[in-house]
Amino acid sequence: GQQVMQIPQYQHVQEGEDFTTYCNSSTTLSNIQWYKQRPGGHPVFLIQLVKSGEVKKQKRLTFQFGEAKKNSSLHITATQTTDVGTYFCAGPGDSNYQLIWGAGTKLIIKP
Amino acid sequence: KAGVTQTPRYLIKTRGQQVTLSCSPISGHRSVSWYQQTPGQGLQFLFEYFSETQRNKGNFPGRFSGRQFSNSRSEMNVSTLELGDSALYLCASRPGHPGYGYTFGSGTRLTVV
Repeated sequence: GQQVMQIPQYQHVQEGEDFTTYCNSSTTLSNIQWYKQRPGGHPVFLIQLVKSGEVKKQKRLTFQFGEAKKNSSLHITATQTTDVGTYFCAGPGDSNYQLIWGAGTKLIIKP
Repeated sequence: KAGVTQTPRYLIKTRGQQVTLSCSPISGHRSVSWYQQTPGQGLQFLFEYFSETQRNKGNFPGRFSGRQFSNSRSEMNVSTLELGDSALYLCASRPGHPGYGYTFGSGTRLTVV
C-alpha cells in the first residue's frame, strides 16, 4: 500500500542551529500537508503544498514540494526552544478522504 | 470560533469493557476523522465521516466503530477492550471537501488495564 516515509526519526540540535526533516512518498501526491505536535499536545496544521516545485515560507520555516510531487521537506532556520516538538508530513491516500502520515521527526534542543 | 472538542480527556477502562468517545467538530465542518496515536505506531487512521456517512475506514478490527450525527458531532466506540488499545485517540475536522488541513482536538487518552 501507499507509504510516506519520513526521516530522521529524531534530530538533536543546539539552539540556533538549523533543522530539516524529509518526506518521501511511494506514489505521486496531489498535495502534502505539514503538522507540528508539541509535547503533550495534538497535531496543529502548518501548511499545505500543492504545486510541483512549490516553496513556501513561514518566518523561519521553509517548506518545499519536489518537482515529481513525491517528496517534501521542512527546514527551520536558527531553531528556538519554541520549535520543540514532532513534525509530521501527510499526504492523501488512495482515497482523498484519508491522509497517510509520516512517522514524524522529533526536534530536540540540546541543553 | 470554538475548536474541536473531545470528551472525555482521560479514561481508564478494564480489559473486556467497551468505551465511547465523543467529538464535536468546528462549526461548519462536516468532515470528521478519527486517529489512534501510539508512541510506536504514530498516527493511524481509523475512519472518516461526512454527512453521517463513513467515507473511508482504516485497517482496524471490527471492535472499532463510529458514527456521525446530523449536527456533525461524532462518536467512536471500542468494544471488548484490549491492553493494546491504550492510546491517544484524536478527532480532526475540516470542511467537507479535500484539500484543507485538519483541525485536531486535544484527544482522549485511553488507558486499558
